[in-house]
Amino acid sequence: DTAVSQTPKYLVTQMGNDKSIKCEQNLGHDTMYWYKQDSKKFLKIMFSYNNKELIINETVPNRFSPKSPDKAHLNLHINSLELGDSAVYFCASSQDLRSGDTQYFGPGTRLTVL
Amino acid sequence: DAKTTQPTSMDCAEGRAANLPCNHSTISGNEYVYWYRQIHSQGPQYIIHGLKNNETNEMASLIITEDRKSSTLILPHATLRDTAVYYCIVRSNSGYALNFGKGTSLLVTP
Repeated sequence: DTAVSQTPKYLVTQMGNDKSIKCEQNLGHDTMYWYKQDSKKFLKIMFSYNNKELIINETVPNRFSPKSPDKAHLNLHINSLELGDSAVYFCASSQDLRSGDTQYFGPGTRLTVL
Repeated sequence: DAKTTQPTSMDCAEGRAANLPCNHSTISGNEYVYWYRQIHSQGPQYIIHGLKNNETNEMASLIITEDRKSSTLILPHATLRDTAVYYCIVRSNSGYALNFGKGTSLLVTP
């Protein structure tokens, strides 16, 4: 069984569109994250939720809005897509926010904005 | 969180030990050393972590120097499937996210 899953795996869309990426974890974890990996392969945190509460919101445009309907899901909605949003987006989860906690990553969603 | 420095790339022959170094000279007493790897087109994968003592698991060993200013990840018998980018990350107990640097691109050759 997949621990952290993301859908879709690939997403190609036009500038200006609105799209969502879904993430689900079946590990019973309390904390979930969204990371962005750009074309230069740098992997950066975007958001973190703990028990459905927003914990980390890095310098991300407000066009990006995470939504956590329950502890097992953290979806990422992106409005008015721009060329610079093209990247691979990774969802991750960890047991909780405690130091020494390991994170489990999903397979990634490759977003291409044309 | 403390900054880490890793070599950009390394090669290793299949079956030999791969020793990946990491410098973290500004590490604080409450910061852990984590290692993750990212195989091409996949999500990062946790390998091992430690605070002060050396650690070993089924994937690798982590050797941390006594002053904690550097560490080495050891893959005892590298295989072709170990070809990946390896990230050394230092994380404090008040930092929730992982700050990935550029990592070391390890190429295991036949």
